[in-house]
Amino acid sequence: DAKTTQPPSMDCAEGRAANLPCNHSTISGNEYVYWYRQIHSQGPQYIIHGLKNNETNEMASLIITEDRKSSTLILPHATLRDTAVYYCIVHGSSNTGKLIFGQGTTLQVKP
Amino acid sequence: NAGVTQTPKFRVLKTGQSMTLLCAQDMNHEYMYWYRQDPGMGLRLIHYSVGEGTTAKGEVPDGYNVSRLKKQNFLLGLESAAPSQTSVYFCASSTRDRGQTQYFGPGTRLLVL
Repeated sequence: DAKTTQPPSMDCAEGRAANLPCNHSTISGNEYVYWYRQIHSQGPQYIIHGLKNNETNEMASLIITEDRKSSTLILPHATLRDTAVYYCIVHGSSNTGKLIFGQGTTLQVKP
Repeated sequence: NAGVTQTPKFRVLKTGQSMTLLCAQDMNHEYMYWYRQDPGMGLRLIHYSVGEGTTAKGEVPDGYNVSRLKKQNFLLGLESAAPSQTSVYFCASSTRDRGQTQYFGPGTRLLVL
């Protein structure tokens, strides 16, 4: 599975959009981009995933560049409860379901 | 549905003691996983299972054993606990489809003295 690079930390004002970047320049054609988050030492929570096209669900949007070497997770209206560590994970070259977690980005939403 | 549950929530062991952590899921998922998370670190995969009666090693398997006798349960055993195994342990489950989402339990905090 390809390696990902994320900034260690970011701040965002409450009510504003949070844009979390992720680089995955070695991604292969059959690998998905997943985003999970972990709030205050709870179990990680799935947010969204995509292969090639941009995706949107009730939690967030995922924008994947055309060359698929980077992506951005967008939380459209961040709240204090969105303060968490966000993990970008590239996965799919095998079918065992294993996820490789990096250090993630700590997002601090401020009032 | 309860999703993924873990037992116990917290445990203190002395060096050399043994214990078993239980993970249960009610979503009929084929795949199950055990991760550990040390302070300030991301999760690391210990062992995983792609089906009942089948287990495999992950990234950091040493000092742990697992069993998957029933589809809904995945047990993680520590035969002789060491202080280096002080960590938070998370269990997860998923379907076997490509693009599958993993669902995580609330975690078990283990302290080995």
